[in-house]
Amino acid sequence: ETGVTQSPTHLIKTRGQQVTLRCSSQSGHNTVSWYQQALGQGPQFIFQYYREEENGRGNFPPRFSGLQFPNYSSELNVNALELDDSALYLCASSVPLAGEDTQYFGPGTRLTVL
Amino acid sequence: RKEVEQDPGPFNVPEGATVAFNCTYSNSASQSFFWYRQDCRKEPKLLMSVYSSGNEDGRFTAQLNRASQYISLLIRDSKLSDSATYLCVVNRGNNNDMRFGAGTRLTVKP
Repeated sequence: ETGVTQSPTHLIKTRGQQVTLRCSSQSGHNTVSWYQQALGQGPQFIFQYYREEENGRGNFPPRFSGLQFPNYSSELNVNALELDDSALYLCASSVPLAGEDTQYFGPGTRLTVL
Repeated sequence: RKEVEQDPGPFNVPEGATVAFNCTYSNSASQSFFWYRQDCRKEPKLLMSVYSSGNEDGRFTAQLNRASQYISLLIRDSKLSDSATYLCVVNRGNNNDMRFGAGTRLTVKP
């Protein structure tokens, strides 16, 4: 196991609602990245948090937002849910040291938007 | 064109076969490269990093060709437990920004 945990494991929402997903990083990891994985696709980078600041963002609209807390856990918030937001949401923690950039994934939250 | 492209698959091979996966990437500034394995409805797990000199881990061999922007994974003596989706991953180098291919599905049959 990677030591990265996510909650909840599954979630069902309806269009227009808001959702908050949570991630606890591996001990000692100060960086959390979030990914969206649609069925049959690879994970798509949403954004990354490093020491409580956003540290890079993929091609996702502003209704995808996040937070990182002093203990390095993180939240992903999605407002105004759309049907296409249905996916597996993965967080990955890492320590971006020179020569070591491996990311370790949590089990994911499966979001279904009806 | 996607930034990371992989063989579409699926690959269906018998136990003991050798199978090779290919991956190309478009961002020449990419700095590090990985193969991840993902089982059905599970999270991706690191299989191996890929180095310019090529590297081997048991039955698995990874190669990187920076000039051609090409990465490969070779699996020898396939086992039933190798059945999974194999994801090619490229780190753009800025902010630990990892880009994933869509994955290649492998099924190893008895």
